[in-house]
Amino acid sequence: AQSVSQHNHHVILSEAASLELGCNYSYGGTVNLFWYVQYPGQHLQLLLKYFSGDPLVKGIKGFEAEFIKSKFSFNLRKPSVQWSDTAEYFCAVTRDDKIIFGKGTRLHILP
Amino acid sequence: KAGVTQTPRYLIKTRGQQVTLSCSPISGHRSVSWYQQTPGQGLQFLFEYFSETQRNKGNFPGRFSGRQFSNSRSEMNVSTLELGDSALYLCASSLATSGRKDEQYFGPGTRLTVT
Repeated sequence: AQSVSQHNHHVILSEAASLELGCNYSYGGTVNLFWYVQYPGQHLQLLLKYFSGDPLVKGIKGFEAEFIKSKFSFNLRKPSVQWSDTAEYFCAVTRDDKIIFGKGTRLHILP
Repeated sequence: KAGVTQTPRYLIKTRGQQVTLSCSPISGHRSVSWYQQTPGQGLQFLFEYFSETQRNKGNFPGRFSGRQFSNSRSEMNVSTLELGDSALYLCASSLATSGRKDEQYFGPGTRLTVT
């Protein structure tokens, strides 16, 4: 079955630490990839997306993600996290008309 | 531009009852999708409506149904509620000009508690 895996369910980091959240998918063929973020008490919102072209995608708030087709991965990165990055992060993959979200990673940044 | 709105925001129902949730998409958006969010399962896709037609459906039982009106507003109905239906139900709208490539804009959700 098609699936999206986010291996880290809960991550705790100190401010200024570097972040990498993993996302792997099981689709074959052409896919579109997204990272969404849900800050406490706020709506889910788009962080960044990949459709085609440069596999390194830059999003809002200093986040970036790299699409590695051979590894079926789309990991999210940020070189230096801030307390305000505390949130839940969801990876999503679409292919044709189907969209599947990962189960999310809760990120907690210690001040 | 107003965002996606969902009503009601909170709902408490008892087992066996039915419930209807409402979603108003961003003006101009023709696609509305519904998701169930729970701590254990994350976001699970329920269905998508486009131009009043169900375009996609997730793996949920027939107790979950929906519809879309000509103004793109959508409703979701759950009949014969079960305890396991307790969740945050999210609605998302998109322009859907290029199929699944479009960014989805999420509403605040309806928190349903079944007792």
